[in-house]
Order: sequence, then C-alpha cells, then structure tokens
Amino acid sequence: GESVGLHLPTLSVQEGDNSIINCAYSNSASDYFIWYKQESEKGPQFIIDIRSNMDKRQGQRVTVLLNKTVKHLSLQIAATQPGDSAVYFCAENKGTGFQKLVFGTGTRLLVSP
Amino acid sequence: DTGVSQDPRHKITKRGQNVTFRCDPISEHNRLYWYRQTLGQGPEFLTYFQNEAQLEKSRLLSDRFSAERPKGSFSTLEIQRTEQGDSAMYLCASSLGGSRETQYFGPGTRLLVL
Repeated sequence: GESVGLHLPTLSVQEGDNSIINCAYSNSASDYFIWYKQESEKGPQFIIDIRSNMDKRQGQRVTVLLNKTVKHLSLQIAATQPGDSAVYFCAENKGTGFQKLVFGTGTRLLVSP
Repeated sequence: DTGVSQDPRHKITKRGQNVTFRCDPISEHNRLYWYRQTLGQGPEFLTYFQNEAQLEKSRLLSDRFSAERPKGSFSTLEIQRTEQGDSAMYLCASSLGGSRETQYFGPGTRLLVL
C-alpha cells in the first residue's frame, strides 16, 4: 500500500551540530510534502513544506530536500539547539480538493547540550 | 500557540460512557480537520469540514463517532459508548485552504478510557 515512512526512529546529536532527518515515500504521484515538529503533549507545529516541482526549499535554519528519483525527503536543521528536541513527522497530501495529510511514524530528535 | 484551542485537554472516562470534545479554530479559517494520534504513531485523518459541511470521513470514524460544525466555526467530536481502543490524542487543525494551505494544529485532547 501507499505509505510515508521514516528511516530512523531516534536521532541523537550535540548542540550546534547539523541534524538530518529522513523520510521515504512510496507514492510517486505525490506532489506536496510537509514537515511537522511535535513536542510532548502538544499538537504538531508546521515547519516547512515543498512541492514536487522543487528539489530544495529553505527556511530559517531548516532546509527540505526532495529526491523524486528515489522517493526520498529530508529535513536538515542547522546548528541544532536543545529547543529542537521533539518528534519530527513528514506528511504527504493525499487529498483531492482538500489537504488530507498522511503522516509517517516520526523520528525523535534528542539534542544534548 | 497556533490560535487553535481544544477543550478539554485531558479526559478520563469509563468504558461505555459518551465523551464530547470541542475545537475552536483560528477565526477566519473555513477548513477544519480532526485527527487521532496513538502513542508512537503519527496523526491519522478522521474527518474534514469546509465551513459547516462535513465533506470527508475516514473509515476510522466508526458509527460511534460523530462530528459537527454547526455554524462553521467551532466543532465538536463525540464518541459514544467509548472503548479502551479509543484511548488516544484527538487533534484538531484548521486552515484557510487555497494553493498554499497550511494546517495549524491545536494542542489536542488526550482521552483515556478505563
């Protein structure tokens, strides 16, 4: 079936390092992807999105890369801070006429001071 | 704080009881979504409203679940005859729609069915 998945369940980094969180998707027809950050007992928080007609998009300290050839999505966080510690989800839009998000299981990012 | 609020934040109930959750979206947002999230998993889509019309329901939404958005503003999600398997975080999100739609999530309601 179609799914959005993540390679690593937990990623531990030192403060100041760059972090890379990966996501694989199986539906080659998907045209819109989003990264969300979720802290404990809070709702997901939008980080950045990308459409399939782009390979890269940058935000503040974050970059999303899309490789359609291998159906792979990544989130890069520069100069990771303790406040970046959270679970990160990639999501794929599978709706028509509205945004029906399909989330992966998430990657937990742990940032040590 | 995204501007989407949910009430209550936590609910403990006994199996067989009915529960109702409320979501207040960002005021100008015409789209409203409900999701369910179990521990260690990503959110799963339940249902979608465009203004007051419920336009899409997931197969996850059994007949014990009902959602309303009577005036196109706040929404309620009711679960009748709760089961232990209903224990989860129930998330609400709202958006303006359009080509660059972004869903803003509320803090969720954590339900525990004993």
